[in-house]
Amino acid sequence: DGGITQSPKYLFRKEGQNVTLSCEQNLNHDAMYWYRQDPGQGLRLIYYSQIVNDFQKGDIAEGYSVSREKKESFPLTVTSAQKNPTAFYLCASTTYPTGGADTQYFGPGTRLTVL
Amino acid sequence: GEDVEQSLFLSVREGDSSVINCTYTDSSSTYLYWYKQEPGAGLQLLTYIFSNMDMKQDQRLTVLLNKKDKHLSLRIADTQTGDSAIYFCAEREDTDKLIFGTGTRLQVFP
Repeated sequence: DGGITQSPKYLFRKEGQNVTLSCEQNLNHDAMYWYRQDPGQGLRLIYYSQIVNDFQKGDIAEGYSVSREKKESFPLTVTSAQKNPTAFYLCASTTYPTGGADTQYFGPGTRLTVL
Repeated sequence: GEDVEQSLFLSVREGDSSVINCTYTDSSSTYLYWYKQEPGAGLQLLTYIFSNMDMKQDQRLTVLLNKKDKHLSLRIADTQTGDSAIYFCAEREDTDKLIFGTGTRLQVFP
């Protein structure tokens, strides 16, 4: 089945540690996205990538880093510079250029908790 | 910048209709979407509407778009307990980016 997978589902991190969240898709989508979700705040865009080896900052990129070495994969690293990393992280993908009603498809999410 | 707003909570009785509202600011939006998020899960696309349409119906779901007032609504007929979730509206800019609302938590009680 085609889809987007994220791992792990739950992740615990000590303060001062970097952690990497995995996102893989087999939908042959060119564009991939990382969002952060906090209660009552909707989704905020962290980083996105429209093509392999290229990515752009979203609205809240500080304290995060990404890479896009393969079309299928878009890992997100939450660095120790991120002041309040506890949140639910969602990965999404879509075709690019986006045409018609094409929209983003989401993975199941990773809940990160800083201890 | 662009902004999409929704009320945070809605509570309805099972079998009644639910209406979830959304307002947006970007008049150049091409498509508008409704997503559903169940607890601890990702977002699932429910339906969408093109900006030159006023209404779209899909089984129990009816989307109404008032482009003049920049108002979008999702009506769920015969609401069931399985409809309890958070509902997000989103608008697509000219690019591939989506702007999401804050989400409306729908609670269905028996």
